[in-house]
Amino acid sequence: TQLLEQSPQFLSIQEGENLTVYCNSSSVFSSLQWYRQEPGEGPVLLVTVVTGGEVKKLKRLTFQFGDARKDSSLHITAAQPGDTGLYLCAGRDAGGTSYGKLTFGQGTILTVHP
Amino acid sequence: NAGVTQTPKFQVLKTGQSMTLQCAQDMNHEYMSWYRQDPGMGLRLIHYSVGAGITDQGEVPNGYNVSRSTTEDFPLRLLSAAPSQTSVYFCASSYSPVYTDTQYFGPGTRLTVL
Repeated sequence: TQLLEQSPQFLSIQEGENLTVYCNSSSVFSSLQWYRQEPGEGPVLLVTVVTGGEVKKLKRLTFQFGDARKDSSLHITAAQPGDTGLYLCAGRDAGGTSYGKLTFGQGTILTVHP
Repeated sequence: NAGVTQTPKFQVLKTGQSMTLQCAQDMNHEYMSWYRQDPGMGLRLIHYSVGAGITDQGEVPNGYNVSRSTTEDFPLRLLSAAPSQTSVYFCASSYSPVYTDTQYFGPGTRLTVL
């Protein structure tokens, strides 16, 4: 079973601060996705990274996939209260007959205070 | 499109009772899956289906059954509920299990087993 370790589990910061969330594994993934989840709702996809070393930007969010495709990070610049939520990373199996099953990290609960 | 719908939104069961969690999608997606979400553990895959008539086990299948008679529907059955099955259940679908494909999640069913 592939495991994804996500850190930190909780993050409480003030508006305007920067933050980074990490997602690490000893396994190689064919792709890695980041989701954001609001209370009472299902996760919503933010981004998919596929190539080792790939960097994607989504407004103030920057996502990076490690060179070896075993880890990823999410960096938020100048966090705003609207960024508050649960952030989840999820990796897809790299091969075999797994039909691309997703393995999720434990999640990071981000709270941004005004 | 309604996307992925789940019913009921909330459910309370007594130990030993059975029930079916409903999931439907109107996007003609081939790939559907069920996850459970517990605090500090992210989402864990229960069962998945790559098309009508085809299902397979995920990471935590014990105590759950699924079937896929149509492309649109993917119900999850609890045959004899146990307190350990208290959780939030999410159904998800994607066009295919290809590694870059987006999974769309339903709003979830919050289940409590007493």
